[in-house]
Amino acid sequence: NAGVTQTPKFQVLKTGQSMTLQCAQDMNHEYMSWYRQDPGMGLRLIHYSVGAGITDQGEVPNGYNVSRSTTEDFPLRLLSAAPSQTSVYFCASTAVGTGSTEAFFGQGTRLTVV
Amino acid sequence: ELKVEQNPLFLSMQEGKNYTIYCNYSTTSDRLYWYRQDPGKSLESLFVLLSNGAVKQEGRLMASLDTKARLSTLHITAAVHDLSATYFCAVMNYGGSQGNLIFGKGTKLSVKP
Repeated sequence: NAGVTQTPKFQVLKTGQSMTLQCAQDMNHEYMSWYRQDPGMGLRLIHYSVGAGITDQGEVPNGYNVSRSTTEDFPLRLLSAAPSQTSVYFCASTAVGTGSTEAFFGQGTRLTVV
Repeated sequence: ELKVEQNPLFLSMQEGKNYTIYCNYSTTSDRLYWYRQDPGKSLESLFVLLSNGAVKQEGRLMASLDTKARLSTLHITAAVHDLSATYFCAVMNYGGSQGNLIFGKGTKLSVKP
């Protein structure tokens, strides 16, 4: 049981490049989310999914796309990277309504856009 | 819209002293989480509080929840240097972004000898 696995851990992109941040969980959780963490801002919700095939926007969705084709995977795509997207990204997986209460986080991806 | 406010945002303590971090939230929720984050690391779960009046303790940390006041506290007893970290509270959102956690901005705790 690996929990939530994020890759890569570090990435440097040039402005305008695209990339995908990977997130996988093996706990069969329906709810998965992407957050970004910036100094002094806490964690802000980018996109989330309540199950395979269902996604929705969070607080700061612009510049990011997501899809959820399986329960296990929830990739985050940066379509055209901008310096404002320099941040630390966390993927989370949550069990809601099944008696389990934990919210699990991946190890984070530190992204720098130059 | 659920909003979570934490205070203080910065806390410098001396070893051996006690202090409390406060977490207020704006709409009804029945799950409140406390996390610890060390520099460059992910979030480590400390407590999950599920009901009004819930109190949990682990070592020098004790968390409580008052759902009527929409307030949670994280109390630090006899602080030691190893407690230096950033502490976040987060509230489960059952509204628009259902099933997600809404975070406070964090309290950066520094414990000095």
